[in-house]
Amino acid sequence: NFMLTQPHSVSGSPGKTVTISCTGSSGRIASNYVHWYQQRPGSAPTTVIYEDNQRPSGVPDRFSGSIDSSSNSASLTISGLQTEDEADYYCQSYDDSKRVFGGGTRLTVL
Amino acid sequence: EVQLVESGGGLIQPGGSLRLSCAISGFSVSSKYMSWVRQAPGKGLEWVSIIYSDDSTSYADSVKGRFTISRDNSKNTLYLQMSSLRAEDTAVYYCARDGIRYHFDYWGQGTLVTVSS
Repeated sequence: NFMLTQPHSVSGSPGKTVTISCTGSSGRIASNYVHWYQQRPGSAPTTVIYEDNQRPSGVPDRFSGSIDSSSNSASLTISGLQTEDEADYYCQSYDDSKRVFGGGTRLTVL
Repeated sequence: EVQLVESGGGLIQPGGSLRLSCAISGFSVSSKYMSWVRQAPGKGLEWVSIIYSDDSTSYADSVKGRFTISRDNSKNTLYLQMSSLRAEDTAVYYCARDGIRYHFDYWGQGTLVTVSS
């Protein structure tokens, strides 16, 4: 079964840049689009990046996404960290009719 | 405006059954793929099931044979019938619109299901 692996946690100081990785099993990360969701405590997830690197309207351009086929991974980069960015972040893709989520990464803004 | 509103959660004993509903406004449930996603307390997101616009369905291995996804086009409502419930099914259950290129573009607020004796 296809799996997505994320670090359990990352942290950064206000104004700095952090990157959250999402590594696919079986060398298939580039076969289907990767989407990223932000989830604050007690709330439903919301999209911050879709289709690898597209930002929904209303999401600041401090959020960006990329794919690295050579390392079989996707990345979410948040620049100019703000305290409001503190949340859980999940990558998500698709394989053989099933939707797959990464385990989630807790971002702490120190 | 698109809205998804789940209901039907609650406390249920192991082995019991429960039906969740997701009332939809802003688009027709018959024309879109719709999924259920759950989140156990303190855990990550887990995709549960999808119903396609042609009524075909797919399930996560963890719920296959126990859960059934369906929809009522006349009520514009999505359902998840859950049976043979286990403690590990305890979670907040979200309905989500499964949009273009397998992206969940709209989510409900979730409904909590607790399986416990």
